[in-house]
Amino acid sequence: DAGVIQSPRHEVTEMGQEVTLRCKPISGHNSLFWYRQTMMRGLELLIYFNNNVPIDDSGMPEDRFSAKMPNASFSTLKIQPSEPRDSAVYFCASSPGTSSYEQYFGPGTRLTVT
Amino acid sequence: ILNVEQSPQSLHVQEGDSTNFTCSFPSSNFYALHWYRWETAKSPEALFVMTLNGDEKKKGRISATLNTKEGYSYLYIKGSQPEDSATYLCATNTGKLIFGQGTTLQVKP
Repeated sequence: DAGVIQSPRHEVTEMGQEVTLRCKPISGHNSLFWYRQTMMRGLELLIYFNNNVPIDDSGMPEDRFSAKMPNASFSTLKIQPSEPRDSAVYFCASSPGTSSYEQYFGPGTRLTVT
Repeated sequence: ILNVEQSPQSLHVQEGDSTNFTCSFPSSNFYALHWYRWETAKSPEALFVMTLNGDEKKKGRISATLNTKEGYSYLYIKGSQPEDSATYLCATNTGKLIFGQGTTLQVKP
């Protein structure tokens, strides 16, 4: 298995532009997680899905952020409009279950908003 | 304790030294405690997931213990090697995963 796949690996965009980050979880995993990593706040959970259904989106910073999981093999995290403070590394992770299962992280997308 | 707290924040040891880190977490509504190893420029890699009070897990030279009643977990590395240099994250699952800030270990050859 190729592991969790994220694209793009790096994204540089201007303030106000729409940004879409993509994630392909490990086949057979039914939970998917989006995290943001910053120096100030460390690794934060943004949202997670179980069986393609959003379970907890309380970590999503504001309405500019949205996430979808249209099927078991694909998820997107969208920021519209983007702002410089959104610059961070965004990780996607998948897991065979939820609380008692280890999570497998993708390589991350480094987003820079200028 | 409202957050997941790890100590020390950073640690510098010599090759061959044994070391340990602490993770403190809220003991209420506990489901699981995760340990991850995070090397620079890579993504976090799972080490252990523990759920029961008194759990002990081992992977090579790395082991971990769990005390859910008092809300702490220890991670031990026996005979540290330079390749052990990384940030070690713990996370508690009380419905969702909440990460500590990590302990950054530097092992000097």
